[in-house]
Amino acid sequence: KAGVTQTPRYLIKTRGQQVTLSCSPISGHRSVSWYQQTPGQGLQFLFEYFSETQRNKGNFPGRFSGRQFSNSRSEMNVSTLELGDSALYLCASSQMRAWGETQYFGPGTRLLVL
Amino acid sequence: DQQVKQNSPSLSVQEGRISILNCDYTNSMFDYFLWYKKYPAEGPTFLISISSIKDKNEDGRFTVFLNKSAKHLSLHIVPSQPGDSAVYFCAARPRSGGGADGLTFGKGTHLIIQP
Repeated sequence: KAGVTQTPRYLIKTRGQQVTLSCSPISGHRSVSWYQQTPGQGLQFLFEYFSETQRNKGNFPGRFSGRQFSNSRSEMNVSTLELGDSALYLCASSQMRAWGETQYFGPGTRLLVL
Repeated sequence: DQQVKQNSPSLSVQEGRISILNCDYTNSMFDYFLWYKKYPAEGPTFLISISSIKDKNEDGRFTVFLNKSAKHLSLHIVPSQPGDSAVYFCAARPRSGGGADGLTFGKGTHLIIQP
């Protein structure tokens, strides 16, 4: 099976712009989660989608939003970009195991806001 | 407040010896624990997990131990190999109750395997 794929891998934007990142989960996985990784804060949970519905949301402002399509592919949007949004954005899809879910991560999209 | 703590930012171990990575947590609702390995410019790679109903889980060279009373878990790598040099993240999540919660990650420990 192909792993989680994310596009684009690298992105440069300026303050005030908006950006859309894309994630394709592992085939058969219906849950997609998004995380932000920065040197100072580490890996932080943004939100999770399951069957096109947002199931849980982390502590991020409303500028961060997402959606999931019927084929489980997901997009994340950040509007009115700020310098502090520069980070590695990771997408993960989930597989149920006997004792819970395990998340498999994509390579990430590195966003630089100038 | 950090709910998952990895107090050692880095750890250096000689090739062939045992690497022990530690993780402490504060949230008693955490029920499921995972270890990830991350190389620069790549996403985290799942290594091994354990649920709170167990105190040990083993997969090849990797063993995770969970001490619920101490809210502590550790990852043992035996024997350590040069390819194990990476940043290791501990993560935890509560028991799912109809919905799922995102993983809470520690800040990571940089493991360096010396020849």
